[in-house]
Order: sequence, then structure tokens, then C-alpha cells
Amino acid sequence: AQSVTQLDSHVSVSEGTPVLLRCNYSSSYSPSLFWYVQHPNKGLQLLLKYTSAATLVKGINGFEAEFKKSETSFHLTKPSAHMSDAAEYFCVVTAGSGNTGKLIFGQGTTLQVKP
Amino acid sequence: NAGVTQTPKFQVLKTGQSMTLQCAQDMNHEYMSWYRQDPGMGLRLIHYSVGAGITDQGEVPNGYNVSRSTTEDFPLRLLSAAPSQTSVYFCASSYRDRGHEQYFGPGTRLTVT
Repeated sequence: AQSVTQLDSHVSVSEGTPVLLRCNYSSSYSPSLFWYVQHPNKGLQLLLKYTSAATLVKGINGFEAEFKKSETSFHLTKPSAHMSDAAEYFCVVTAGSGNTGKLIFGQGTTLQVKP
Repeated sequence: NAGVTQTPKFQVLKTGQSMTLQCAQDMNHEYMSWYRQDPGMGLRLIHYSVGAGITDQGEVPNGYNVSRSTTEDFPLRLLSAAPSQTSVYFCASSYRDRGHEQYFGPGTRLTVT
């Protein structure tokens, strides 16, 4: 069965310092992986996605993630945090073979950015 | 395109009442899903559909019904509301050729008293 584990429920960084949000996954198939962001009282926005092309994926707002099959990881990084990055981040994997459109969400990581 | 739309944005129900949350998309997406979001639990799949006339249960289907008579619409029905159904509900749609990148609606905040 597929699963997603976000290793930190809360991450706090200072503005201008690097961001690392960690995600491990489990899948019997070749999964598609996503990172979504949710700002307070807002909907979900796609940051980036991996769908079996390049393992280093660049997304919006300077975020990127690297798919590492050997480590079953898909960590999200950003070189320099902005105050506007404070939000909830979700790592997501396609369920099963990916033909149903079902997604499995991690429990989320809250990113706090201090001035 | 309006994308994925949901109505209402907010709703308060009394225990035992029924209601339908509406979801529509204008992108001709094959796949549609309903999720609920509760603090500390991410999003959990309630029901999903791979096309008109085809629906299936997700992780937390109890107390909810769905139908998909058209490609565009995917309503979620609460049969007899319970306080445990207090949550934020998101509808999403996707297209296989885009790797099932999901497009989310703005959400419905439901409170059951």
C-alpha cells in the first residue's frame, strides 16, 4: 500500500535562511509525487510535481524537490525563505498504479518564518 | 475557465440534517474527488470518480454519498449530519495526461452542531 510520511510537523526558519521540508513515501508502483501549499484559510496550490521525468523538479516561488528512489524521499527545499512562505505544506503521492486519480496526502508540515 | 467551483463556502447544520455540497469543474477533467481536511490529519479522501457514472469509496466514506451524472458535476451528500463531520471539504479534479495534478476548489467550511 502507498503511504506518505512528512517527517516534521513543524519547521521554523529565519527569513533569508534555507528551507528543508522532508517527505518519505512508500509505493509499489512508480508514483507521481507532488508538493502542495496551503496558506491560512485558503485552498491548496500546486508547488511542483514529479511524474517520472527529471528527478530534480523546479516549482513556483523558488522551491524545488529531488526525487530519490533509493531513499524513497522527495524533500522540498528553497535556498532563502521569505515571510510569505509561511504556510502549511503537503507531500502527496498517487495511490495504486495512478489510474484512478486518487492521491494520498501526508499530514502536513507547518512552516514558520521568523523575521 | 472558472476551474473548480464549490458551493456553499460556509454552512452550519444541526445534527441529523441532510445537505448537498456542490462541486463543478469546466476543464473536462475525467477524475473528480472529495476530501475532508481536519487539523493535523492532512486531507483524507471521501469518494472519487473516474468518469461520469463511475464512483468509488475513498478512505473515509461513511455518512457520505456521491453521484456523477455528468463530467462537470460531482455533488457530495451528507445523509444525516453528525458533529464528527465538522470539517473543511475540498473538491478536486484532475486529468491523467497531466499526471493527475489535482485542481482544488476553494473549500466548504461545514459546522455541525
